[in-house]
Amino acid sequence: AQSVTQLDSQVPVFEEAPVELRCNYSSSVSVYLFWYVQYPNQGLQLLLKYLSGSTLVKGINGFEAEFNKSQTSFHLRKPSVHISDTAEYFCAVRRNYGGSQGNLIFGKGTKLSVKP
Amino acid sequence: GAVVSQHPSRVICKSGTSVKIECRSLDFQATTMFWYRQFPKQSLMLMATSNEGSKATYEQGVEKDKFLINHASLTLSTLTVTSAHPEDSSFYICSATGLTTPGLFFGSGTQLSVL
Repeated sequence: AQSVTQLDSQVPVFEEAPVELRCNYSSSVSVYLFWYVQYPNQGLQLLLKYLSGSTLVKGINGFEAEFNKSQTSFHLRKPSVHISDTAEYFCAVRRNYGGSQGNLIFGKGTKLSVKP
Repeated sequence: GAVVSQHPSRVICKSGTSVKIECRSLDFQATTMFWYRQFPKQSLMLMATSNEGSKATYEQGVEKDKFLINHASLTLSTLTVTSAHPEDSSFYICSATGLTTPGLFFGSGTQLSVL
């Protein structure tokens, strides 16, 4: 079975500072990896995903994540955050074969608070 | 991008009553919809998968008689929590995907509080 650990439940940071949101996963099979963002009063939306190929994945709003197979990590980074990045971020995995698109295993989420 | 609308966003009900949550795809045909729930300080967990016109497939440990899912049209799926109890209090969220709309699109969620 797969599992996802988001090590930080809350991350406060000042505007224009860099941020890293950590995600580790465990799986006995190959997986696809995702980061979703949920802004207040909105649905989750896909930030970026890793399916194959380059381990550095770029997403929307200046975010990027790096897949590290040896460390089973998929940390999310942004070099300079804005107030508008305040949201909850979810890391998720899915088996890369079989199953359905919606059968995601989510982490517990990390609340990013950007302060002026 | 594709939009999924979920209503209500918050509901408070008395123990023993039933609550219906709607999930609509506004600008695409959702052939498959998924329902998740998130207990406080826990992860989002898939409850069930529903394909339009078919019976929903429930994940292990989810009571199909308690969580009734209807996906009778390509734009609407409903989750009914029957005879709700305080332990059903949770955040419920739906997502949808379509044959011609690749990707997974989420609703904004429903916070259910059962008194």
